[in-house]
Amino acid sequence: QSVLTQPPSASGTPGQRVTISCSGSSSNIGSKTVNWYQQLPGTAPKLLIYSNNQRPSGVPDRFSGSKSGTSASLAISGLQSEDEAHYFCATWDDSLNGWVFGGGTKLTVL
Amino acid sequence: QVQLAQSGAEVKKPGASMKVSCKASGYTFTGYYMNWVRQAPGQGLEWMGWINPNSGDTKYAQKFQGRVTMTRDTSISTAYMELNRLRSDDTAVYYCARLQVDRSGWGYLDFWGQGTLVTVSS
Repeated sequence: QSVLTQPPSASGTPGQRVTISCSGSSSNIGSKTVNWYQQLPGTAPKLLIYSNNQRPSGVPDRFSGSKSGTSASLAISGLQSEDEAHYFCATWDDSLNGWVFGGGTKLTVL
Repeated sequence: QVQLAQSGAEVKKPGASMKVSCKASGYTFTGYYMNWVRQAPGQGLEWMGWINPNSGDTKYAQKFQGRVTMTRDTSISTAYMELNRLRSDDTAVYYCARLQVDRSGWGYLDFWGQGTLVTVSS
């Protein structure tokens, strides 16, 4: 059971916009920034969004992040086949005194 | 460019110990905390702890307290994670990941190693 709650799956067609939610509590998302990772099959997680809405160099602007209260969202616009992957949210939790992750959302491009 | 190169896959018996290495290159090893995160097959990510390569100070997730030890060798820019008394549910891919801190003081894991699969089986 993950501390952060994500939908197990999401899907969209090429060119569509999809959003993935991440729900937490006051001890994590409510008081910390949220980071998002993309994990392609058989590879390590790759940083996609940090500090709620910042993109590392090289990440397309099709990817965007937002946070409101104890929830965060990752939006992917102009969906492409190579976006098919697992997406994880992550943040620090003051109660657990450690990094916590969402269970991951498998994105399928139909 | 920043790279974290981990040691190869291992197979261990229940009750044994494992030790995974993570060699850093492309940046000042002592300038960034190194975290360890694991992922059981088909599961999510689980944080295990971190080490400050500069001081050697560590912080472990409560779940692993007493069973995990994180060390480093600054002369070869390498971090290590040792897990003892292995059980079958320790079967997972273990990742090292560098902790970056933004201008506001918020942290995030920016670079990850390729992962090391450890299989615990009798």
